[in-house]
Amino acid sequence: QSALTQPASVSGSPGQSITISCTGTGSNIGRYNYVSWYQQHPGKAPKLIIYEVTNRPSGVSNRFSGSKSGNTASLTISGLQADDEADYYCATFTASATLEDIFGGGTKLTVL
Amino acid sequence: EMQLVESGGGLVQPGESLRLSCAAPGFTFTGFWVAWVRQAPGKGLEWVGNIAEDGSETYSLASVRGRFSISRDNARNSVYLQMNSLRPEDTAMYYCVRDFGYNRFDFWGQGQLVTVPS
Repeated sequence: QSALTQPASVSGSPGQSITISCTGTGSNIGRYNYVSWYQQHPGKAPKLIIYEVTNRPSGVSNRFSGSKSGNTASLTISGLQADDEADYYCATFTASATLEDIFGGGTKLTVL
Repeated sequence: EMQLVESGGGLVQPGESLRLSCAAPGFTFTGFWVAWVRQAPGKGLEWVGNIAEDGSETYSLASVRGRFSISRDNARNSVYLQMNSLRPEDTAMYYCVRDFGYNRFDFWGQGQLVTVPS
């Protein structure tokens, strides 16, 4: 069981917006502004889409946005497209016992 | 764009060892941390560990500490994941990633499958 909790699945219709939550604790998400999000299509390697809570790497659509409030981070995808159907993972940093990066359990996004 | 290429995966018996290699053809690893991330079949991502630019620091997941070690040879532009005492629960696709810092994994390899049957 991951230290970061994500919903197992979310869905939306093309053109709509969806939000995926990622809940941690005061020792990880609540403590640091180091939350990343990854998109993974079936059979492919993950792709970084958000880093440091709100930043998008070059080439990533501005339809993807990130935010954080307290111990919960969120990924919002606006203007849903068919190709957005994928698994999404949040990740953060923890320095509780040792320095580790941790991932959420993943969320399957279905575009209806 | 940087490409990472892993090699060395395969089928091994419980208790055996395997070493994965990661290279970046045409690019230099020098100046970057490198991490290993694994994904068991049908499961989520799991950070395994990482290594500093000069190899002076390494960190790893508690469940692999003492069995797995990460090293690098900057002269060969390569990073390695040495896996000893392998267990069935180590069965996964192992990805080499450029670690830009604080879980900013911006370049990923294609992955190497490691299978440890029960």
